[in-house]
Amino acid sequence: DTGVSQNPRHKITKRGQNVTFRCDPISEHNRLYWYRQTLGQGPEFLTYFQNEAQLEKSRLLSDRFSAERPKGSFSTLEIQRTEQGDSAMYLCASSSTADRTYEQYFGPGTRLTVT
Amino acid sequence: GQQLNQSPQSMFIQEGEDVSMNCTSSSIFNTWLWYKQDPGEGPVLLIALYKAGELTSNGRLTAQFGITRKDSFLNISASIPSDVGIYFCAGDLSGAGSYQLTFGKGTKLSVIP
Repeated sequence: DTGVSQNPRHKITKRGQNVTFRCDPISEHNRLYWYRQTLGQGPEFLTYFQNEAQLEKSRLLSDRFSAERPKGSFSTLEIQRTEQGDSAMYLCASSSTADRTYEQYFGPGTRLTVT
Repeated sequence: GQQLNQSPQSMFIQEGEDVSMNCTSSSIFNTWLWYKQDPGEGPVLLIALYKAGELTSNGRLTAQFGITRKDSFLNISASIPSDVGIYFCAGDLSGAGSYQLTFGKGTKLSVIP
């Protein structure tokens, strides 16, 4: 399967703990995006990378959030000092820089529950 | 931030019926995309539209990019039980210089066998 993969699929953590999620994009895609989705809402953009460069960050991405893509392949999203409001589905997507670049392909997501 | 208004919010239809849903905005979009999401999964891309007036089909699905570039619709013909899910429209906001997508809140489709 050459789709976008995310790990873990589910994470339960206590408030104040740090969590890290991983995303592996489609291999030939050099753009990678992170979105957050809460119940009853569509995905909301957090940040995106082109290769290893983080080119845009949403104001939703507070100081407690950090994302990396060190070698331009997989990416990690870390949340420090988690809060109950961080509970959501975290989605990763990837796209190519060819002419259909807006066609973003999503992974299955990581469901975070902060207790 | 920018919003996409999807309607209806939810719909219940009989298997075999046709379905129509739409998405509108007060802003111009360069690209419109339609996704379907099943519970606990990520959105799956159904159709992408790149030109005003463009009409594109993917099997029983047909989508159009509105002439004003502020709206789009999705039609599903002869619905089947596996069409159940949440359908999202998404767009690339014109002039934003960004690759982020703005999503609507979704239309939840239920199909009664």
